[in-house]
Amino acid sequence: EDQVTQSPEALRLQEGESSSLNCSYTVSGLRGLFWYRQDPGKGPEFLFTLYSAGEEKEKERLKATLTKKESFLHITAPKPEDSATYLCALDSGGGADGLTFGKGTHLIIQP
Amino acid sequence: AAGVIQSPRHLIKEKRETATLKCYPIPRHDTVYWYQQGPGQDPQFLISFYEKMQSDKGSIPDRFSAQQFSDYHSELNMSSLELGDSALYFCASSLGLAGSDTQYFGPGTRLTVL
Repeated sequence: EDQVTQSPEALRLQEGESSSLNCSYTVSGLRGLFWYRQDPGKGPEFLFTLYSAGEEKEKERLKATLTKKESFLHITAPKPEDSATYLCALDSGGGADGLTFGKGTHLIIQP
Repeated sequence: AAGVIQSPRHLIKEKRETATLKCYPIPRHDTVYWYQQGPGQDPQFLISFYEKMQSDKGSIPDRFSAQQFSDYHSELNMSSLELGDSALYFCASSLGLAGSDTQYFGPGTRLTVL
């Protein structure tokens, strides 16, 4: 059974204080690993898709990396507007399979 | 850019009533997914459709059914509503099975069952 574990559950940082969020996974066959950002009461907003170990993607202050067992979302010099829940999700099947989500990391950036 | 549209955005129902949620995918997207997110929980996959055919099924209760229409919009029908059905319901869409498989989510429908 596919499993996704995110850590930490919650993280409070000062503005400008860089850190990393972790997503550990076990899957029979990885088709893609996704990172989403979710604000309270809103739909998940797509950030990155990673397909194979060693792959990296960047967008503004965010950088996602992937190994065979885990993915990291690095946030550099965060701003208060980066506060949100960050969700990691796996696509392990063929066709239009649903994603398996982790519980998320609730990130708070204090000014 | 056009996004996934969901309606209604908010819905209040009594126990044992029925509800219908609608989803309009991003233009040219032919695959639709439904997810349920309870308070403080991660999204749970319910069901998906590709080219109007059911593609995958997750933890969807037998009281729920869904379909995708010829214009690719989808409807989630929920009957005999229970208090525990109160949640955010998200629709996501993607472009086909062999192309970009990134799922783009809509704003959600908040269902409250009283």
